Amino acid sequence: KNEVEQSPQNLTAQEGEFITINCSYSVGISALHWLQQHPGGGIVSLFMLSSGKKKHGRLIATINIQEKHSSLHITASHPRDSAVYICAAGGIIQGAQKLVFGQGTRLTINP
Amino acid sequence: DAGITQSPRYKITETGRQVTLMCHQTWSHSYMFWYRQDLGHGLRLIYYSAAADITDKGEVPDGYVVSRSKTENFPLTLESATRSQTSVYFCASSESAGVLFYEQYFGPGTRLTVT
Repeated sequence: KNEVEQSPQNLTAQEGEFITINCSYSVGISALHWLQQHPGGGIVSLFMLSSGKKKHGRLIATINIQEKHSSLHITASHPRDSAVYICAAGGIIQGAQKLVFGQGTRLTINP
Repeated sequence: DAGITQSPRYKITETGRQVTLMCHQTWSHSYMFWYRQDLGHGLRLIYYSAAADITDKGEVPDGYVVSRSKTENFPLTLESATRSQTSVYFCASSESAGVLFYEQYFGPGTRLTVT
């Protein structure tokens, strides 16, 4: 079992829909990162959070430390949101400080 | 230009050859990282560096060598390339206090093919 699991692996939606991507982790963490990988391959950090909720534009990230679960929401989705979204758990894992990445969720927003 | 750059962007090499991938950042970030990204595995940490002359192994270090003589540069060398090292390599940097508390900034990636 992967230490960080994302669901769904693939998601296709229509423009304007509300999108939710989930991330569950099995390790104790200090911070949870959400990244966006564009179709061209570039990776951008969207959020880093250790508790509660953060919002940036149409993107909202939440985390529940007790349940070891985080969600990334996109409101009023747009075709330019099409990308791979990656969550990564950061903490002391197997005795070392590191980030463990999920395998990503491929999001496609159709016009 | 400000930011984090990688070179080359694309590289094809033969099995057994030595290859060096370059990474340069202009922010004076303390931490730098090398990842590889493969289908079915996501991003995996190869090596990281907390400061100049300080490096440490990540999850998949075998077959790779790093050095960091200057804060801004973090080259990754494949001493004797193998086909299993065909991958996309990303360099990243982060402000001090490391990966846990600060966001990482990624380079554009290097697509390496070993034939």
